[in-house]
Amino acid sequence: DQQVKQNSPSLSVQEGRISILNCDYTNSMFDYFLWYKKYPAEGPTFLISISSIKDKNEDGRFTVFLNKSAKHLSLHIVPSQPGDSAVYFCAAQGTYKYIFGTGTRLKVLA
Amino acid sequence: KAGVTQTPRYLIKTRGQQVTLSCSPISGHRSVSWYQQTPGQGLQFLFEYFSETQRNKGNFPGRFSGRQFSNSRSEMNVSTLELGDSALYLCASSTSTGLETQYFGPGTRLLVL
Repeated sequence: DQQVKQNSPSLSVQEGRISILNCDYTNSMFDYFLWYKKYPAEGPTFLISISSIKDKNEDGRFTVFLNKSAKHLSLHIVPSQPGDSAVYFCAAQGTYKYIFGTGTRLKVLA
Repeated sequence: KAGVTQTPRYLIKTRGQQVTLSCSPISGHRSVSWYQQTPGQGLQFLFEYFSETQRNKGNFPGRFSGRQFSNSRSEMNVSTLELGDSALYLCASSTSTGLETQYFGPGTRLLVL
């Protein structure tokens, strides 16, 4: 039972353009969502989060949007840079645990 | 403030052996969680500890166990290793005060031969 889904395993974007990564969830009780970035053989690095009382949160080039009615969140990266190439995981905070999606591999082309 | 540390970083074991992994959380963080990452599987939740008590457990066999010490450091043990246990094992810590962020360590790469 995959409660958090990232349906796009990979995404390629030209440098300078917008990257949009998507995530869907099934449990309407989730009230806190996070995005992590991961390089090979390293631990995930926290990027940005959003609580369910908001529909948007910005931090520099990164913006997360939450659509509670659709149970959908997205991460926008503008402008995309080659250093953004990594695997991105969305996560939802459950009861004493975090549920992660399977990740989207972003490749930013120079 | 120092981040989450995990030791060892790399391990090679053979089938049937057991292994113990260690995690030291960020100072002041009392919640420690463990995850297994395998290719294409994302991060699979193993268990979470807070104040030396396991509060939640994922869907892993009983060969996977853990504990937390009074200084919040945590260990994870896998007994009777199988080839499928080869993975990156990640530890994350948080303050566990409500809506919060988990911070991850670099992971331990386990290879079972």
